[in-house]
Amino acid sequence: NAGVTQTPKFQVLKTGQSMTLQCAQDMNHEYMSWYRQDPGMGLRLIHYSVGAGITDQGEVPNGYNVSRSTTEDFPLRLLSAAPSQTSVYFCASSYSFSLSGGKETQYFGPGTRLLVL
Amino acid sequence: RKEVEQDPGPFNVPEGATVAFNCTYSNSASQSFFWYRQDCRKEPKLLMSVYSSGNEDGRFTAQLNRASQYISLLIRDSKLSDSATYLCVVNIQNQGGKLIFGQGTELSVKP
Repeated sequence: NAGVTQTPKFQVLKTGQSMTLQCAQDMNHEYMSWYRQDPGMGLRLIHYSVGAGITDQGEVPNGYNVSRSTTEDFPLRLLSAAPSQTSVYFCASSYSFSLSGGKETQYFGPGTRLLVL
Repeated sequence: RKEVEQDPGPFNVPEGATVAFNCTYSNSASQSFFWYRQDCRKEPKLLMSVYSSGNEDGRFTAQLNRASQYISLLIRDSKLSDSATYLCVVNIQNQGGKLIFGQGTELSVKP
């Protein structure tokens, strides 16, 4: 198993550009999520999905879109990049939080470091 | 007020020391609790879940106090390899598995 994979590892964008951060998992996990991590802020949830076709907003969803057409993939789209979106982005997955009462381990991808100029 | 708060540190301790981290959470509907470890510029990884009765995993002991809404992590006999940032994480009941992260406590173990 590759676990959770993310591409690209690094990206530099200009303000106003759009791009998609890719996330895939091969563990047949139902739950997937995207976080951003900024210095002194901890990880903040952007969007999450409890299964294919189902997505919901997290704490900081503005400026980002997601879709979940398959169980394996959960891409994050930046619609019009802004310097405030400079951050490290982590994708995570777990089997099923609903069945385990929230006790499932979340597995994180290696992260994408994004710089918006 | 942040939902999950931790002392950011850094905690600088010598090898062999015992170090304790505390974490407080504000949402009384929090149902599951975890400690994650994050090495520099890497992804977070689960260190241990925290159970109501407290639990131990080798040199690591986690405690939960629901009445006071705080969680602790004790590391005994610190090793150089324990140097990392420790993240306190809670899951809120009926919120579809969302995890709320503290900002992390940095630990540096020196020879």
